[in-house]
Amino acid sequence: DTAVSQTPKYLVTQMGNDKSIKCEQNLGHDTMYWYKQDSKKFLKIMFSYNNKELIINETVPNRFSPKSPDKAHLNLHINSLELGDSAVYFCASSGTGNQPQHFGDGTRLSIL
Amino acid sequence: EDQVTQSPEALRLQEGESSSLNCSYTVSGLRGLFWYRQDPGKGPEFLFTLYSAGEEKEKERLKATLTKKESFLHITAPKPEDSATYLCAVQANTGFQKLVFGTGTRLLVSP
Repeated sequence: DTAVSQTPKYLVTQMGNDKSIKCEQNLGHDTMYWYKQDSKKFLKIMFSYNNKELIINETVPNRFSPKSPDKAHLNLHINSLELGDSAVYFCASSGTGNQPQHFGDGTRLSIL
Repeated sequence: EDQVTQSPEALRLQEGESSSLNCSYTVSGLRGLFWYRQDPGKGPEFLFTLYSAGEEKEKERLKATLTKKESFLHITAPKPEDSATYLCAVQANTGFQKLVFGTGTRLLVSP
């Protein structure tokens, strides 16, 4: 009964390829997020969706395109992958207001 | 710009040796301060939310406190299973729910 699940857990691919990461939450939350954790373990928000609507876009390159088919799912598609995209990507979800965010276990993306 | 600074970067304790982790923050109106624990290869696991200065929360060997400029995570008589990275994050009352994280404190508790 995983609350926030991401697939795949590991993604190894070549520079220039396009890849997608999927996220699903079964907590009934309205808001979902994507965060990027770099090699120094710094966690930074990329996007946030509330009820399928984009509400935060933190100056992420437009090669990154989130898509929310329904409020339980938030996918991340990345075009033309670059070496600097190597990181761990975390999906999270939360209820409204200042409710805590609950995180998935991450997708480790490695660009060769 | 909202900012969070955690210290120390790394801390090594003997089992039973109590200590504190610091989280200093600047935020344009605090909606909430959050503490998370992160184990290797896992996502951050929620521990506490603090909303206003003077508030304290406790869970087992952990106690979090909040002032207007900083938060402390006190660890009393730690055990090896408390070894993890502890992350602090703030949420501003700007109307959005974005968390701004610090870089964390890596805690290692030796038996």
